[in-house]
Parts: sequence; C-alpha cells; structure tokens
Amino acid sequence: QKEVEQNSGPLSVPEGAIASLNCTYSDRGSQSFFWYRQYSGKSPELIMSIYSNGDKEDGRFTAQLNKASQYVSLLIRDSQPSDSATYLCAVADRGSTLGRLYFGRGTQLTVWP
Amino acid sequence: DTAVSQTPKYLVTQMGNDKSIKCEQNLGHDTMYWYKQDSKKFLKIMFSYNNKELIINETVPNRFSPKSPDKAHLNLHINSLELGDSAVYFCASSPGLETEAFFGQGTRLTVV
Repeated sequence: QKEVEQNSGPLSVPEGAIASLNCTYSDRGSQSFFWYRQYSGKSPELIMSIYSNGDKEDGRFTAQLNKASQYVSLLIRDSQPSDSATYLCAVADRGSTLGRLYFGRGTQLTVWP
Repeated sequence: DTAVSQTPKYLVTQMGNDKSIKCEQNLGHDTMYWYKQDSKKFLKIMFSYNNKELIINETVPNRFSPKSPDKAHLNLHINSLELGDSAVYFCASSPGLETEAFFGQGTRLTVV
C-alpha cells in the first residue's frame, strides 16, 4: 500500500491570509499529483494537477512539487471563507495500467472572517 | 448535463439486503472507478474498469460486484449488506490511467 501523508489539521487561518497545505508520498517514482477540495457532504472536486517539479499557479492556488523530497504542497493566497473545506492530496499509481489514485486523509481548512 | 452521475444519492437499508448503485458518465472517458469514503473521510479505491474491463479489484469482500455494461456505465451491486458497509460510495471517471479523476455526487449508504 503506497502512502500519502498530509499535515494533520485542522488548519485555521484568517481571511486574506495564505493557507499552506502539505503532502508527502512514499513512491519515489510517482509522476502525477492532484489536489482535490471537498466541501462537507459533497464530492471531491479537482482544483490542481501537477506533473513537473516546481510551481504551478492557477488564480489564488499554487501547487508546488519536489520529487526529490517526495513532497507536494498547495498554497492558497488571499484565503476566503468559501475556501473552508477538506483538501485531499492524491498521487496516481505510476507506470502501470492500474490507474488508481492514492489519497491522503485530508486536511480540514477553516478560513474565518 | 451532469458529467458523472450516480443514483441513488441516499440509500438506507437493513442488514442482509442486496442493493445496487448505478453510475453513468457522459465525458467520453475510458476509465471508471468505485471509491469508498469511510466515516473518517478516507477515500480508498475499490474497483477500476478500463473500456469495460476490470483492471483493479482491491481487497474488498466478494459481496461487492461491479458491472460495466458499456464504457459509460459502471454499477455496483452489494449482497448481504453489513453494518460495516455504511459509507459514502463515489463513482469516478478519468480520461486516462494516470490522470485526474472526476467524481460523482456520491451515494451515502446506511445499513441498519
């Protein structure tokens, strides 16, 4: 079983702050990484995917990947109360035909006004 | 024009019953999945189908049987339901085998 670990929450930040969510993974050969947001009672919603080392920005979201350290993070700038949700890190099974995603247990983020 | 839709959204049933959950995707994806999310919100894959062919069968009881009549549909049938089967079951699809998955709205199964 491949491991995906996320920083334990819950994480609470004031509106307008930067929220930093971290994730480490056990399979050094993993190539595909995803961040999902899940509101309470809803389904996971893809917000970012990243495949290469470095930063990838999309609006207020920045994903960072460091394959040497087996680390992927998500930064949310100018956090809004509507960002309050559980954030799930997912890593795709590599180089195989299996296609499964391994999920971390999630970090619950609360943004207070 | 829901991308991945599953029915029913809620399912309450007694122990020992047999039930099915249906899933359909209109994204044209080749790969479909069933995931289970437990009470601690941990998402774990159960089954994966690629072009109607079963390619992942995780360690789940054989009371769970997926069926894919075509690429756009993946149903889950559960026999002899147990209390421990209570969870949220998500159907998902993806365009490829190492790409992102898109999730349906989930089916909250409660076994009483």
